[in-house]
Amino acid sequence: KAGVTQTPRYLIKTRGQQVTLSCSPISGHRSVSWYQQTPGQGLQFLFEYFSETQRNKGNFPGRFSGRQFSNSRSEMNVSTLELGDSALYLCASSQNMGTDTQYFGPGTRLTVL
Amino acid sequence: LAKTTQPISMDSYEGQEVNITCSHNNIATNDYITWYQQFPSQGPRFIIQGYKTKVTNEVASLFIPADRKSSTLSLPRVSLSDTAVYYCLVGDVMDTGRRALTFGSGTRLQVQP
Repeated sequence: KAGVTQTPRYLIKTRGQQVTLSCSPISGHRSVSWYQQTPGQGLQFLFEYFSETQRNKGNFPGRFSGRQFSNSRSEMNVSTLELGDSALYLCASSQNMGTDTQYFGPGTRLTVL
Repeated sequence: LAKTTQPISMDSYEGQEVNITCSHNNIATNDYITWYQQFPSQGPRFIIQGYKTKVTNEVASLFIPADRKSSTLSLPRVSLSDTAVYYCLVGDVMDTGRRALTFGSGTRLQVQP
């Protein structure tokens, strides 16, 4: 089976812009979670989607949003980018929610100038 | 949210056994404990998962005491390629009763020749 794929791998934006990141889960996986990783804060949970519905949400402002499509592919959007949004954004998929093993993609490196 | 705690860093030598402990209060009854390994600029890689007592696979062992408020990842006979950051993952019960996925702060393991 192909692993989790994320596009694009690298992205450079300027403050105030918005960005959309994409994640394709492992075939048959229905849950997709998003994480933000920065040197200062480490790995932080953003949100989890299952069956096209957001099931869990971390402590991030409303500028961070996401959605999941009927084929389980997911996108996350960050509006009005700030310098502090520069990070590695990781997507993980699992067969079901909760504690099912999550398999991570390679991430999207976002740089905000 | 309850917080998970790990040592920030550990040093070891090739061939030694390494034990990394993660503390996690407020773990939910149905939550599993999962450990991941991460190399720079890559997504975390699944190592091992367990619910209670001891679990062993081809690369590691996981020890979980009866109260499940902590877990210990054991890496037998480490090599230079085990130099990485190790994270433990548990489900955290939010104030609303919904579950969020929480990574520990990560332990940076440095293996010396």
